[in-house]
Amino acid sequence: EAGVVQSPRYKIIEKKQPVAFWCNPISGHNTLYWYLQNLGQGPELLIRYENEEAVDDSQLPKDRFSAERLKGVDSTLKIQPAELGDSAVYLCASSPFEGDYTGELFFGEGSRLTVL
Amino acid sequence: GQNIDQPTEMTATEGAIVQINCTYQTSGFNGLFWYQQHAGEAPTFLSYNVLDGLEEKGRFSSFLSRSKGYSYLLLKELQMKDSASYLCAVMMDSNYQLIWGAGTKLIIKP
Repeated sequence: EAGVVQSPRYKIIEKKQPVAFWCNPISGHNTLYWYLQNLGQGPELLIRYENEEAVDDSQLPKDRFSAERLKGVDSTLKIQPAELGDSAVYLCASSPFEGDYTGELFFGEGSRLTVL
Repeated sequence: GQNIDQPTEMTATEGAIVQINCTYQTSGFNGLFWYQQHAGEAPTFLSYNVLDGLEEKGRFSSFLSRSKGYSYLLLKELQMKDSASYLCAVMMDSNYQLIWGAGTKLIIKP
């Protein structure tokens, strides 16, 4: 079974430029998460989807960040314009959210953003 | 507020045993997770505890005391490949919100 796929793995941009990250969750997983992780820190939730509905976006900086999950499968996370402080790893995770669900998350390898 | 504390870094010797502690103060509790994260890679699931006691899974065991807000991850027969960060995360309540600790970087020496 294929895991969570993210692209690009690495992205270097200049500040004020836009950037977009893509995530394809594990087939059948209807819950999708976008996390931000700084070096030496735990993941910080940006947004959580259940199917195509954003059920928790309270930590998403909506002035510059946006996300969508059309058709409840793939998702994109966009930053426009990027700032120096946005340099981090952006992790996508999915989970089945059904039955005896234990909350285990399956993570992608992440997209490492460097803003110059 | 919500708070999870873990030691920043620990060092242990190959073949030995190490215990990584996690204490939490959260307004809700619906389980505690341990994840392993190698440098530059994604976190991977290790264990889940929702009831008090010890859960053993091969070389790794995880313990939970809900009354003390305390958990530990025990790694036995350490191998060099166990060098990684170990993240503790608490599931808050029925909406499955996770609060993450900053992680403990474990360094294994020969």
